[in-house]
Amino acid sequence: DAGVTQSPTHLIKTRGQQVTLRCSPKSGHDTVSWYQQALGQGPQFIFQYYEEEERQRGNFPDRFSGHQFPNYSSELNVNALLLGDSALYLCASSLSFGAGYPEQFFGPGTRLTVL
Amino acid sequence: EDQVTQSPEALRLQEGESSSLNCSYTVSGLRGLFWYRQDPGKGPEFLFTLYSAGEEKEKERLKATLTKKESFLHITAPKPEDSATYLCAGPTGQGGSEKLVFGKGTKLTVNP
Repeated sequence: DAGVTQSPTHLIKTRGQQVTLRCSPKSGHDTVSWYQQALGQGPQFIFQYYEEEERQRGNFPDRFSGHQFPNYSSELNVNALLLGDSALYLCASSLSFGAGYPEQFFGPGTRLTVL
Repeated sequence: EDQVTQSPEALRLQEGESSSLNCSYTVSGLRGLFWYRQDPGKGPEFLFTLYSAGEEKEKERLKATLTKKESFLHITAPKPEDSATYLCAGPTGQGGSEKLVFGKGTKLTVNP
């Protein structure tokens, strides 16, 4: 059973460019959340997708957008990249409905460097 | 403002030297707490979910406990392979749409 997968592993971009990161959730999961983790910090919530719609959003500008596909996979898009966008981008998947509270399982992350 | 605070920021132990990590939270609507382990450059690995005060969970040398205001991760007789950053997170949001509010983590180093 494959866990959460993300691509690419590493990415280098220059300021002003646009980037797309991809995520495939754990088998059976229907919800995808995206987090940004700066060096030495805990992950910060960007947004969450369920049933192809953005369900919740953290304190990130509109330059950050996403999409969820019918197969539950997801993309994170960042426009007009800034140096401060350099971070590890994490995707987490979960199952929205079930016993207890949905545990979120993380992928390996995409390391984005903006020059 | 929702906040999760972890202490200490860093901890160095000798192999076999037991200790505890702390996670305190002020998250509105908190209905549980998650612990994760993160190795350098990798995604967080799920360890435990604690749902209510008084609950305890164990996995190998790790035991997590939860009170109304804080959680502890106890590490008994640690080994060098336990070296990692340990993150705690509070889920907050409406049912089924939880987002996680993370602390900054405790970086644990276990020396042989």
